[in-house]
Amino acid sequence: DSGVTQTPKHLITATGQRVTLRCSPRSGDLSVYWYQQSLDQGLQFLIQYYNGEERAKGNILERFSAQQFPDLHSELNLSSLELGDSALYFCASSATRGGSDTQYFGPGTRLTVL
Amino acid sequence: QKEVEQDPGPLSVPEGAIVSLNCTYSNSAFQYFMWYRQYSRKGPELLMYTYSSGNKEDGRFTAQVDKSSKYISLFIRDSQPSDSATYLCAMRSGGATNKLIFGTGTLLAVQP
Repeated sequence: DSGVTQTPKHLITATGQRVTLRCSPRSGDLSVYWYQQSLDQGLQFLIQYYNGEERAKGNILERFSAQQFPDLHSELNLSSLELGDSALYFCASSATRGGSDTQYFGPGTRLTVL
Repeated sequence: QKEVEQDPGPLSVPEGAIVSLNCTYSNSAFQYFMWYRQYSRKGPELLMYTYSSGNKEDGRFTAQVDKSSKYISLFIRDSQPSDSATYLCAMRSGGATNKLIFGTGTLLAVQP
């Protein structure tokens, strides 16, 4: 168990809908990262937050947004969902924001868009 | 061309074999190199972490980094059926961003 928790484990929804994925980092970790894992693209970095502020962006779609709250948990919002958004979404956390920091991954949320 | 290339396998070996997993990369700015293990429907789990070039050993696992060739390897000695999983290499540059670039993963099956 990495100490990173994610809810829900599974999510099934329809095209055009909006969903929110939640992540709680390991105790004491200030950075949260979101990744998307699909069969054709592998594990792709979406976005990083450090202590409530956006730190780095990857290939995150404009339909997707994220935030990190004062208690350091994070939410990833996915809107206007398309079939291609079906994937595993992982959250990771680390103690600081860069350098030699190690990222620990949560168990993931499996999103299915029908 | 992807920044990180990894043979997806699958790789099937008998129990007790030595397994060699590899990744190549194109970005010379990468300084930190990791291997993650991912069991089916689970999150990636950090196995090995190496900074710059050299070798690192941890039990049955050895990680090697050759920055001059832009090539990293993970060796598993005395492989066990419990090692059956997908192995992902990951790497990043230094600095303030901690963005990891992953290989596509190699699926390993260790046959009893």
